[in-house]
Amino acid sequence: KNEVEQSPQNLTAQEGEFITINCSYSVGISALHWLQQHPGGGIVSLFMLSSGKKKHGRLIATINIQEKHSSLHITASHPRDSAVYICAVSGYGGSQGNLIFGKGTKLSVKP
Amino acid sequence: DTGVSQNPRHKITKRGQNVTFRCDPISEHNRLYWYRQTLGQGPEFLTYFQNEAQLEKSRLLSDRFSAERPKGSFSTLEIQRTEQGDSAMYLCASSLAAMVGGPTAYEQYFGPGTRLTVT
Repeated sequence: KNEVEQSPQNLTAQEGEFITINCSYSVGISALHWLQQHPGGGIVSLFMLSSGKKKHGRLIATINIQEKHSSLHITASHPRDSAVYICAVSGYGGSQGNLIFGKGTKLSVKP
Repeated sequence: DTGVSQNPRHKITKRGQNVTFRCDPISEHNRLYWYRQTLGQGPEFLTYFQNEAQLEKSRLLSDRFSAERPKGSFSTLEIQRTEQGDSAMYLCASSLAAMVGGPTAYEQYFGPGTRLTVT
């Protein structure tokens, strides 16, 4: 079992729909990261959070430390949101320097 | 701030050849990370540096792989005697970390990656 699990693996939505991507992890973490990867490889950090909720534009990220679960929400989705969304966690102590990644959720938003 | 840059962007090599990739981090960032990503998978950690010190290495980093950051600025990742299984996207990221105390997690900024194809 992977230390970071994402669902769904693939998601197709119509423009304007509300989207939720889920992430569960099984290790102790110092922070959870949501990343966006467009075709061609470039990765952009969307959020880093260790508790509660963060919002940036149409994106909202929440985390429940007790349940070891995080969600990424996209409101009023748009075709330009089409990308792979990756959840990653930072560990503690000796593993704090690296990220453990989920496999990603491929989102396609149709006009 | 020009972001994290990586060179080359693409590399095609024959099995058994050596290859070297370069990463230039954001100039004031003291941490530099290398990751590898194969098709359809999330990235996997390879190694990271704080300044010029290599602080952690994954068991994925076999003895054919070596990474350096000699002056605490740019870094190189060398793969010797390449194998077809080395074909992947090699990603570099950098962050600014507190030297003493501070949070234990830092936002990482990624480069565009170097896509390696071993034929």
